[in-house]
Amino acid sequence: AQSVAQPEDQVNVAEGNPLTVKCTYSVSGNPYLFWYVQYPNRGLQFLLKYITGDNLVKGSYGFEAEFNKSQTSFHLKKPSALVSDSALYFCAVRDRDFQKLVFGTGTRLLVSP
Amino acid sequence: DVKVTQSSRYLVKRTGEKVFLECVQDMDHENMFWYRQDPGLGLRLIYFSYDVKMKEKGDIPEGYSVSREKKERFSLILESASTNQTSMYLCASSLYRPHEQYFGPGTRLTVT
Repeated sequence: AQSVAQPEDQVNVAEGNPLTVKCTYSVSGNPYLFWYVQYPNRGLQFLLKYITGDNLVKGSYGFEAEFNKSQTSFHLKKPSALVSDSALYFCAVRDRDFQKLVFGTGTRLLVSP
Repeated sequence: DVKVTQSSRYLVKRTGEKVFLECVQDMDHENMFWYRQDPGLGLRLIYFSYDVKMKEKGDIPEGYSVSREKKERFSLILESASTNQTSMYLCASSLYRPHEQYFGPGTRLTVT
C-alpha cells in the first residue's frame, strides 16, 4: 500500500534559520506527493505538490520541497523560517487506485523568535 | 477562492445520539471527503464521494455513514455516537481525484 512517513513529531528552529520537515514515501509506480499545512484551529491548506518534472517544487509562503527518488524522500524546506510558520505540517501521497490521498501523521514545526 | 464550510466548529453530544455533520463547498467540485484527525494518527479517511449519490468507504468507515444528495453538500452521520468518536472532523473537496484538496475549518466533536 502507498504510505508516507514523517519521522519527526516536532521540529524546532530559530527564526531566520533554514528549516526542513522530513517525509519519506513508499509507493508502487510513480509517486504523486503533497504537502499541507494546518495553522491552529484551522483546516489544512495546500502548500505544494510533485507529480513529475523538476525535482525541486516551489509552493506557497516561500516553501519548497525536494523530490529524491533514490532516497524516496520529499522533504519540505524553507531558507529562512518565520515565527508565523509555526504550524502542523502533513505530507501525503496519492494511493495506487488514484482515488484518494494517504496522509502522514504530521510534524509540528515550532519557530522561536 | 474555494470555500469549504462546515456547519459547526464545536459540538458536544451524548453517547447514543445521532449526529449530523454538514459540509458545503462552493466551487462545483466533483469529489468530497470526510476525515477524522487524531493526535499521533494524522488524518484518516472515513468516506468519500466522487458524484452525487455516490459514496465510497475510506479506511475507517465503521460507525459512520454519509449522504450526498446535492453536489455541493456532503454529510457525515454518526448513527449512534460513542466516546471513541470524539475527534476533529475535517471535510475536503477537490476538482479532480486525487489532486489538491481544499479543506473546511473542521468540527471538533466531543461525545460524553
